[in-house]
Amino acid sequence: AQSVTQPDIHITVSEGASLELRCNYSYGATPYLFWYVQSPGQGLQLLLKYFSGDTLVQGIKGFEAEFKRSQSSFNLRKPSVHWSDAAEYFCAVGAKGYSTLTFGKGTMLLVSP
Amino acid sequence: EAGVTQSPTHLIKTRGQQATLRCSPISGHTSVYWYQQALGLGLQFLLWYDEGEERNRGNFPPRFSGRQFPNYSSELNVNALELEDSALYLCASSSGQSASSYNSPLHFGNGTRLTVT
Repeated sequence: AQSVTQPDIHITVSEGASLELRCNYSYGATPYLFWYVQSPGQGLQLLLKYFSGDTLVQGIKGFEAEFKRSQSSFNLRKPSVHWSDAAEYFCAVGAKGYSTLTFGKGTMLLVSP
Repeated sequence: EAGVTQSPTHLIKTRGQQATLRCSPISGHTSVYWYQQALGLGLQFLLWYDEGEERNRGNFPPRFSGRQFPNYSSELNVNALELEDSALYLCASSSGQSASSYNSPLHFGNGTRLTVT
């Protein structure tokens, strides 16, 4: 069975500082990996996705993520955080032909001035 | 294009009652997914409908049910409401027959906040 672990429930970052959100997955075959963001009162918005190829994936809003098979990780990064990035971030895993995505429990990002 | 729309935004029910939640997918999308987001539990997969048929369901009791209409909109019904059913219910749609479709990832609505008292 697939599983996703986001070890950090909350993270606080100063505005302008760099950000890395951790995601570890468990899946026997080649995973498809996603990062979604949820602002308060909103649904989830897709930031980026990885299916194959280049292990460094660029997404929207200046985010990127790196797939590391040896570490079963897909960490999300941003070089300089803006106050508007404060939100909850979810990592998800799927697979070819798999009908559903399995989500992590989310990491709440707080941005301090 | 219009996104996934859900109604109502908020719903308050008492224990034992029934709740009906509605979802309209993005135009052209045939698949609708329902997720429950309870506090501290992340997103839990509930149901998947495609072309009017239930294709898969998560580990939820039978009192969680739904259907998909010919126009691909969907309804989630929760019978015999319990306090622990209080959560944000998210609907997502895609045009692929898989939530892992590269060209058609899941698009989410803003959810229905169900409160059971």
